[in-house]
Amino acid sequence: DAGVIQSPRHEVTEMGQEVTLRCKPISGHDYLFWYRQTMMRGLELLIYFNNNVPIDDSGMPEDRFSAKMPNASFSTLKIQPSEPRDSAVYFCASSLRQGGTEAFFGQGTRLTVV
Amino acid sequence: GQQVMQIPQYQHVQEGEDFTTYCNSSTTLSNIQWYKQRPGGHPVFLIQLVKSGEVKKQKRLTFQFGEAKKNSSLHITATQTTDVGTYFCAGRRAAGNKLTFGGGTRVLVKP
Repeated sequence: DAGVIQSPRHEVTEMGQEVTLRCKPISGHDYLFWYRQTMMRGLELLIYFNNNVPIDDSGMPEDRFSAKMPNASFSTLKIQPSEPRDSAVYFCASSLRQGGTEAFFGQGTRLTVV
Repeated sequence: GQQVMQIPQYQHVQEGEDFTTYCNSSTTLSNIQWYKQRPGGHPVFLIQLVKSGEVKKQKRLTFQFGEAKKNSSLHITATQTTDVGTYFCAGRRAAGNKLTFGGGTRVLVKP
């Protein structure tokens, strides 16, 4: 398996534009997580899915953020409209089950909103 | 809500020396995991501790889970340049499923 695959690796966009980040989890993993990493706030869990169903989205900062998982092999994180304070590295991770196994992280998407 | 704190935030270590980084949770944990993130990279799982007082070793790394399951430590002996990176602990409560990450300890090694 190629691991968790995220795209794009880098995204530069103008304030107000819509941004869509994509993630392909490891095949067979039941859980998918979206994290945001910044110097100020560290690694924050935004939302996670179990079997394609959103379980906890309490970390999603605002209504401008939305996440979907239409099937077991694909998830998106959308920001609309984007703002400069959304600039961060966004990681997607997957695991076999959350309670007791490791999370495998993708290489991340570095988002810059200008 | 649950908070996980790590100290120190930065650690400058002379190559060959030992150091320890500490992780403290505001709530009792079901288990704790440790990850390492190299500069420019992504977090990579190192180990998971589940039992109270558990100690696990990986070569020069020693991980410990506190008796009260609210704190943990990572001790590295004979630091090498390959140890450079940020070490995160991540705790999970028994009552929930969230994996909450600490702020990390960024390790810099002086050759």
